[in-house]
Amino acid sequence: GEDVEQSLFLSVREGDSSVINCTYTDSSSTYLYWYKQEPGAGLQLLTYIFSNMDMKQDQRLTVLLNKKDKHLSLRIADTQTGDSAIYFCAEIEDASGTYKYIFGTGTRLKVLA
Amino acid sequence: NAGVTQTPKFRVLKTGQSMTLLCAQDMNHEYMYWYRQDPGMGLRLIHYSVGEGTTAKGEVPDGYNVSRLKKQNFLLGLESAAPSQTSVYFCASNKGAADIQYFGAGTRLSVL
Repeated sequence: GEDVEQSLFLSVREGDSSVINCTYTDSSSTYLYWYKQEPGAGLQLLTYIFSNMDMKQDQRLTVLLNKKDKHLSLRIADTQTGDSAIYFCAEIEDASGTYKYIFGTGTRLKVLA
Repeated sequence: NAGVTQTPKFRVLKTGQSMTLLCAQDMNHEYMYWYRQDPGMGLRLIHYSVGEGTTAKGEVPDGYNVSRLKKQNFLLGLESAAPSQTSVYFCASNKGAADIQYFGAGTRLSVL
């Protein structure tokens, strides 16, 4: 099956930028997603990018996509303590017409005051 | 608008007991999913459904059964719980095949 890989932990100081990286394997994915999971809660969509884009910016969030290397990153500018959470990247696998999300292992972001 | 609701939120079972986790969505979504989340392993797909009356196996289906008798509900059953099924279970739904997934708050299950 397909695999989506992320580093497990990232620690940054408040006010710094955070960069969370992800590598994926299915080059046919039309969309790539970033989800955020706060403690004790389910996942919520943070942002997404179309596969025909290289970059998407949304306020403090910047998503970069390198299709050649199958590498996706999420940059959070001016990171705040409220950004502490687990961040999942996800691609969509097309299995004979049935689409399934493939999630990465999640990166736990800890923001130090 | 409730979105995706999971019940119960917490449960403790003894090995061999059975239980059913309920997922309900009020967004008229066609697609529904059950995942389990374990430390360092991300989300793994257990079973999913592409519409009322349909179910299909995901990545880790063994030990679980599902039913989708009504479009808004997706039930996950454990017939004989094992300690390896201790996990946090998430239900999700989306309208179209490649649309954004909406998640419930999770069910934390411990099997002793």
